[in-house]
Amino acid sequence: QSALTQPASVSGSPGQSITISCTGTSSDVGGYNYVSWYQQHPGKAPKLMIYVVSNRPSGVSNRFSGSKSGNTASLTISGLQAEDEADYYCSSYTSSGPYVFGTGTKVTVL
Amino acid sequence: QVQLVQSGAEVKEPGASVKVSCTATGYTFSDYYIHWVRQAPGQGLEWMGWIRPNSGDTKFAQKFQGWVTMTRDTSIGTAYMELSRLRSDDMAVYYCARDPGGSSPKFDFWGQGTLVTVSS
Repeated sequence: QSALTQPASVSGSPGQSITISCTGTSSDVGGYNYVSWYQQHPGKAPKLMIYVVSNRPSGVSNRFSGSKSGNTASLTISGLQAEDEADYYCSSYTSSGPYVFGTGTKVTVL
Repeated sequence: QVQLVQSGAEVKEPGASVKVSCTATGYTFSDYYIHWVRQAPGQGLEWMGWIRPNSGDTKFAQKFQGWVTMTRDTSIGTAYMELSRLRSDDMAVYYCARDPGGSSPKFDFWGQGTLVTVSS
């Protein structure tokens, strides 16, 4: 099972919005609504930000939102803040895996 | 509150085995899957497999079949991951994570991670 494809890096200025893509196939992202997103700060464990494509756990800022179209899922961070600087990973249920992570995206706040 | 507490860092020689524990508190252990995920230095997350504590059923990524074992002791709310025949590229931080499964699968709580160093 190959990793889902994410851009290596995305950057934005404070207050701006950025979007991170997560591209898979019809056997994973496109075939199931079980896409999650995780934030990881250096030296820390990952933290759940979005689950089942677009649901936010309690305690996660509403500046984070998720969506999916075809084989590509997306995480949007609006009103970018310095504390959002971290690595972000998508994850999807797969027909074979059954789980796979994305390659990861480093978000930089300029 | 929900917590997953993992065992401490390990240093192993190539060819040895390592067993990492993950002790759950603050919820009913048997009601949630436990997944294991690893992260090599400077690399991304890699899903290894899961165990269903109420039955002991397991499912592994194809890459790890035959050399990873996942077990649990429901009496003490602890899951274990054992990796055998360690190689240098198995050096990583190993995480456990909780998942309710069903129609809302997600890794909603994570352990703090256990660093496994493989060196002669």
